Amino acid sequence: QVQLVQSGAEVQKPGASVRVSCKASGYPFNSFYIHWVRQAPGQGLDWMGVINPSGPRTTYAQKFQGRVSMTWDTSTSTVHMELSSLTSEDTAVYYCARSPAVALDYWGQGTLVTVSS
Amino acid sequence: EIVLTQSPATLSLSPGERATLSCRASQSVHSAYLAWYQQKAGQAPRLLIYDASSRATGIPDRFSGSGSGTDFTLTIRRVEPEDFAVYYCQQSGSLFSFGQGTKLEVK
Repeated sequence: QVQLVQSGAEVQKPGASVRVSCKASGYPFNSFYIHWVRQAPGQGLDWMGVINPSGPRTTYAQKFQGRVSMTWDTSTSTVHMELSSLTSEDTAVYYCARSPAVALDYWGQGTLVTVSS
Repeated sequence: EIVLTQSPATLSLSPGERATLSCRASQSVHSAYLAWYQQKAGQAPRLLIYDASSRATGIPDRFSGSGSGTDFTLTIRRVEPEDFAVYYCQQSGSLFSFGQGTKLEVK
């Protein structure tokens, strides 16, 4: 069955970077886009960007441009999301999600990133 | 950037009642690019509706979506106890964006 399994919770200091991983299984890895969505405590869903594992193509939301990087490792069917220059406002649960076309049909379990000095 | 505005922010209903949730876009969205999600506390969102009106795999037929242009609606024909949650609309006509959510709570 389709699964997206994310890396564990992280605690980072302000100004640092964090890398969250998302390992896909149960489907052809290169055939679906992977999106990243975050959710601050008690808040709504915030789209961060998307990566196409079948080609060197990423698209980022404007608010994260210059701070986010999404990469993939085909050999392990894993997508990585790195966010730099962290502030307390980046404290959130980060989700990866698969997209066959225009909706997100499978989601990872979420990774809590806490930014605190 | 397309902004999605959901209303009401909170909807208080009793089990068995009909729920109508609204999603309004700041500019026209092709119906193929509008989806709805359900999120329960502590869980990842779950896809309910895509292409504005198509139910995702395993979604009960009490859930239905409709609309076009800038106005879209999610309807729950008879709310079940497990339906109390937060609902989000999402568009992919211009990058991706989500509405701010509607919380469906027990009256």
